[in-house]
Amino acid sequence: GAGVSQSPSNKVTEKGKDVELRCDPISGHTALYWYRQSLGQGLEFLIYFQGNSAPDKSGLPSDRFSAERTGGSVSTLTIQRTQQEDSAVYLCASSLESPSVNTEAFFGQGTRLTVV
Amino acid sequence: GENVEQHPSTLSVQEGDSAVIKCTYSDSASNYFPWYKQELGKRPQLIIDIRSNVGEKKDQRIAVTLNKTAKHFSLHITETQPEDSAVYFCAANSGYSTLTFGKGTMLLVSP
Repeated sequence: GAGVSQSPSNKVTEKGKDVELRCDPISGHTALYWYRQSLGQGLEFLIYFQGNSAPDKSGLPSDRFSAERTGGSVSTLTIQRTQQEDSAVYLCASSLESPSVNTEAFFGQGTRLTVV
Repeated sequence: GENVEQHPSTLSVQEGDSAVIKCTYSDSASNYFPWYKQELGKRPQLIIDIRSNVGEKKDQRIAVTLNKTAKHFSLHITETQPEDSAVYFCAANSGYSTLTFGKGTMLLVSP
């Protein structure tokens, strides 16, 4: 594909339900990032995958949040037992290599999650 | 880990004026500093970046300066236009790790 693709674009879920958000990075990109953006707020780092290395999970806000990246490509962010404060836009980005080696991180259009 | 502070949070200018947004970072090992522009309802997009081996980089009306000693970097937009109105984010890497973003600056350019 031409860019980073995220699905679904919008998700409304009931409090307490689990949700899965998907990210298809640009083909060949080894680095993949998940960020959360609340209304009018900045980009809150969640998790970072780089090649086959162990992911940097330091930004995950609680153990209800987890993410996988299968085969070095597609990534899934899972939020268990969703809470209203989880409502936000979840952005995925990918880059050819790690930020210290290469440059531009390309963002997907985001998944807007609303927990009711 | 890296901590990035960004100021101001909002900035209003008249068309044709210059705009300056400043960021500071905490990790002296950081060596890559991109700036992203996010228009309303759209995804963030890279507008300019700078590496730690240079002090300034310019691309038409946009320039970025870096002071490694003081650990701060700034975005300069000259001759602002209404289409420059957006939220601007600075970011810094932290060695091998991911990009840490500032909280953003909402720039409003009035005609």
